[in-house]
Amino acid sequence: AQSVTQLDSHVSVSEGTPVLLRCNYSSSYSPSLFWYVQHPNKGLQLLLKYTSAATLVKGINGFEAEFKKSETSFHLTKPSAHMSDAAEYFCVVSMVQGAQKLVFGQGTRLTINP
Amino acid sequence: ETGVTQTPRHLVMGMTNKKSLKCEQHLGHNAMYWYKQSAKKPLELMFVYNFKEQTENNSVPSRFSPECPNSSHLFLHLHTLQPEDSALYLCASSFTDRDYGYTFGSGTRLTVV
Repeated sequence: AQSVTQLDSHVSVSEGTPVLLRCNYSSSYSPSLFWYVQHPNKGLQLLLKYTSAATLVKGINGFEAEFKKSETSFHLTKPSAHMSDAAEYFCVVSMVQGAQKLVFGQGTRLTINP
Repeated sequence: ETGVTQTPRHLVMGMTNKKSLKCEQHLGHNAMYWYKQSAKKPLELMFVYNFKEQTENNSVPSRFSPECPNSSHLFLHLHTLQPEDSALYLCASSFTDRDYGYTFGSGTRLTVV
């Protein structure tokens, strides 16, 4: 069975400094992995996805994530945080079983300090 | 706009009321989903529709009744709700045969009084 663990419920960084949001997954076969972002009172927006192509995935707004099979990790990074990055971030693993099913992590709230 | 439109954006209803949430997508997707997002809890999958057929009911109470008349429209009919049903209800759509992820709507913020 698939599962996903986001290692930090809350991350706080200063504007202009790097962002690291950590995610570990468990999957019985090659997974597809996603990061979604949710701004306050909004729906979820897809940031990036890994689907067994390149292990370093680039997404929108300067975010990227690296799939590391040996570590079962899919951490999200950004070199320089912007105030507009403040949001909730969800790491997600895909179960393809008929209609595909996504398993969501608990979420990491990212706070950006001026 | 993401391509998935949910109405209304906000809804306040009494426990004896009947209301419906609506979701519409014109992305050509063939699967649609209802999720519930409560404070301090992970997203909960409620229902899955694949080519208009319900393929998943995740032990949702019968006071929530989904309807999918075609692949572009999804409804969630609500009746005799409880205050603990207050949450953000998110609709999503996807293709079933490719790992492109879901496209989510902006959600309906439901408050049951």
